[in-house]
Amino acid sequence: DADVTQTPRNRITKTGKRIMLECSQTKGHDRMYWYRQDPGLGLRLIYYSFDVKDINKGEISDGYSVSRQAQAKFSLSLESAIPNQTALYFCATSERTGYYGYTFGSGTRLTVV
Amino acid sequence: RKEVEQDPGPFNVPEGATVAFNCTYSNSASQSFFWYRQDCRKEPKLLMSVYSSGNEDGRFTAQLNRASQYISLLIRDSKLSDSATYLCVVSNSGGYQKVTFGTGTKLQVIP
Repeated sequence: DADVTQTPRNRITKTGKRIMLECSQTKGHDRMYWYRQDPGLGLRLIYYSFDVKDINKGEISDGYSVSRQAQAKFSLSLESAIPNQTALYFCATSERTGYYGYTFGSGTRLTVV
Repeated sequence: RKEVEQDPGPFNVPEGATVAFNCTYSNSASQSFFWYRQDCRKEPKLLMSVYSSGNEDGRFTAQLNRASQYISLLIRDSKLSDSATYLCVVSNSGGYQKVTFGTGTKLQVIP
């Protein structure tokens, strides 16, 4: 099994729908992150969490919310999806201290029509 | 100026060639530097860290130039399997270590 698992892998949804992306990890890492990737824009941080119940906004948090109910799980919600949220979404984890690189999930390709 | 800048490419090189990418960063307080590899529609994977003294891992060599604020990645004896996008990543220090990704340089190794 993958160290960081994202579900679903692909999703097509309609404008205005609520959608949740799930992430679970077996790395035992405290820190978890949600990024989105768009062509030409690179990876941009949406939210991050350093521990259970710890939630912090990233650079593009508007329109998104997250929940960290357990060390191993970090979910991302789009309350009312809009077409410009169409992107590739990645969950990532890292160790508690320092930055030694992320472990990424395999991504969720989300299309909002 | 972008915090982290990379030439998007593509760099089209024949098998066996040597190719080098640069990445410039704007924050002189940046502390940690990395190269990631990303295959099409896949997740980024850590390729190597970049140390002040430079470091080598097989055919790959990474170097840091703090004075000019850039890092480089050199790939020798290119293989078809090296075809991918290479992301430059820069991290600052402090309580929250802000991590900034470059938009990537695409490499295509041609038979």
